[in-house]
Amino acid sequence: DTEVTQTPKHLVMGMTNKKSLKCEQHMGHRAMYWYKQKAKKPPELMFVYSYEKLSINESVPSRFSPECPNSSLLNLHLHALQPEDSALYLCASSLYGQGNSRENTEAFFGQGTRLTVV
Amino acid sequence: GENVEQHPSTLSVQEGDSAVIKCTYSDSASNYFPWYKQELGKGPQLIIDIRSNVGEKKDQRIAVTLNKTAKHFSLHITETQPEDSAVYFCAASRATGFQKLVFGTGTRLLVSP
Repeated sequence: DTEVTQTPKHLVMGMTNKKSLKCEQHMGHRAMYWYKQKAKKPPELMFVYSYEKLSINESVPSRFSPECPNSSLLNLHLHALQPEDSALYLCASSLYGQGNSRENTEAFFGQGTRLTVV
Repeated sequence: GENVEQHPSTLSVQEGDSAVIKCTYSDSASNYFPWYKQELGKGPQLIIDIRSNVGEKKDQRIAVTLNKTAKHFSLHITETQPEDSAVYFCAASRATGFQKLVFGTGTRLLVSP
C-alpha cells in the first residue's frame, strides 16, 4: 500500500463554517505534511509533523489548525476562512522523521482536497 | 532559504520528440532533487529523483542530470507520448530526516500526437 488518502475530495464552505480535512497513510511513515496549492502554482509547505509532533509551521494563519492524532492520521481543521484560502490542499508523507540521519525517501502525495470558500 | 527556479513555463512538442526542463537552486546545502508529475485533478507523483553524490540517473525514457557546481539540474524525456502531457515540478531539499521540499514554478508539457 503506497497510498495517501485524503477526504473529502471536494469541499465548499462558508466563511463562518468549521470543517476538517483528513489524511491517512498506512506505510509506517513518521513524517506527514500539509501543502497548499493555488491554481497554476507549485505546492507550498504549510506544516510538517514528525513523530506526531508539529515540527514546522510556515507562518500559517491560525484559522488553519493541524492535528496529528496518531502516526497514520493527519487532520487540518478550518475555521473562519477567507475566499482567498480557496485552493487544493495536499497531504504528503515520507518515511523518516526529524533527527533521523538516514537519507530521506520519496514523499508520497495524496490526491488533495479541492476547497472553495464562499 | 532555498529558492528554485524552473524553465520553461510551457513546452509544446510533437509525439516522439524529446523534452528538456531545467531548474536552478540557491541553497548549496540542498542535496536531494526530485521531479514530480501532476496530472489535472491529481496530486503530484514522483517520477525520478537524484541525490547530490550522483551526476546522472536514468529510468527508461526519463533521465535527470545534476551539476552541483552550477546548482542546476534538468529533466530529460525522450520519445515523448501524449500521456506525458502534464505539469512537471522540480524540487529541492536536504536529504536527511523529514523533507522540506521547495518546488519550482512548474512546466506545463503538451505532447501533440
